[in-house]
Amino acid sequence: GAVVSQHPSRVICKSGTSVKIECRSLDFQATTMFWYRQFPKKSLMLMATSNEGSKATYEQGVEKDKFLINHASLTLSTLTVTSAHPEDSSFYICSASPRGSNEKLFFGSGTQLSVL
Amino acid sequence: LAKTTQPISMDSYEGQEVNITCSHNNIATNDYITWYQQFPSQGPRFIIQGYKTKVTNEVASLFIPADRKSSTLSLPRVSLSDTAVYYCLVGDRDSNYQLIWGAGTKLIIKP
Repeated sequence: GAVVSQHPSRVICKSGTSVKIECRSLDFQATTMFWYRQFPKKSLMLMATSNEGSKATYEQGVEKDKFLINHASLTLSTLTVTSAHPEDSSFYICSASPRGSNEKLFFGSGTQLSVL
Repeated sequence: LAKTTQPISMDSYEGQEVNITCSHNNIATNDYITWYQQFPSQGPRFIIQGYKTKVTNEVASLFIPADRKSSTLSLPRVSLSDTAVYYCLVGDRDSNYQLIWGAGTKLIIKP
């Protein structure tokens, strides 16, 4: 199957700092990537859809100025958590769907963010 | 609200066949049924996808009755490493990313 690489896998930061998470499609081009958030023992929640060359589409309740998404190339999308606070601590996961895959989603390994 | 309903948890033993059933009473004509597996602190992994009848791949089978209001993921001869959360999703192939993730089924395999 297709490979989606996500880095870093774990990050600890101080409150007020910004954290960038990268999501790369290694063996396919992804015009669209998706960012999710997952709390412990809870299900995935779609945060936003990242579109190559255009603005991201955010789900209701997700602050676009808080979670900056950049999709500058067909293989890379980044999520920046700006001015992070402890309540932003969570597991963040990206995914992408290769063309011709019947829209099956392939996921990155996730990033565990801990804000102190 | 999620479009699917699954058991919250299931237990089984190594070497057994495990069947997890998912209800999706409001499935639409264009919806496909997809199952994912997630281990702790990892992203979900695609297992299998189907539209109707039966689909089989190297890791699982998916049984879908004619009315498509439910589906059953079958894992043959499970091992301890199959302990994970299994999610059933239904959605249009053109809007897969909009799928709403339910709570999934926590499968625990015992020795």
